[in-house]
Amino acid sequence: DTEVTQTPKHLVMGMTNKKSLKCEQHMGHRAMYWYKQKAKKPPELMFVYSYEKLSINESVPSRFSPECPNSSLLNLHLHALQPEDSALYLCASSLIQGSTEAFFGQGTRLTVV
Amino acid sequence: AQKITQTQPGMFVQEKEAVTLDCTYDTSDPSYGLFWYKQPSSGEMIFLIYQGSYDQQNATEGRYSLNFQKARKSANLVISASQLGDSAMYFCAILSPLTGANSKLTFGKGITLSVRP
Repeated sequence: DTEVTQTPKHLVMGMTNKKSLKCEQHMGHRAMYWYKQKAKKPPELMFVYSYEKLSINESVPSRFSPECPNSSLLNLHLHALQPEDSALYLCASSLIQGSTEAFFGQGTRLTVV
Repeated sequence: AQKITQTQPGMFVQEKEAVTLDCTYDTSDPSYGLFWYKQPSSGEMIFLIYQGSYDQQNATEGRYSLNFQKARKSANLVISASQLGDSAMYFCAILSPLTGANSKLTFGKGITLSVRP
């Protein structure tokens, strides 16, 4: 199983809503990542978790709150988002942070209205 | 800080022909890795090929090969025998530093490849 599974695939939320994105992998990887990708732009790193601990936070606004409850699961909690936060959110995992192969999920397309 | 530059406008190639996608990079780390990913319209990032900074030989994976010129800081992707399914966005990325708590993957802006029948 070389899959990274993201749910939901699509999400529309209002600016006052609270929602969560979920990412799961069962490859025994100990590093997991969140990226944000705007249309026709490259993915931008948001957070890195290594052994369930936050390793990198790329100065992401606090309305995005990551959580890594166990080695297989990564969540991104969303609260009070803005329309400009609408994007494709990609999750990835790798054996360890800096591993030479990272597997990406198919992403969640988020629209904030 | 590390940087990836992809400057080609959208590329077009005839089916069954070869195409080269350009990538230059910059990093102060002595150890790093270079990647190419393919992203179809569905959104998933698909790993294509990897080249380590200390690898002596150019990486190859099936129809994909990486033309690594370390002194020029370039890592061009060559796709041989293009197929219609190769039409997608292609991203060059650098992993720098190669290991450690600061290790992260930085992407170039990407290039759109269209394969003509």
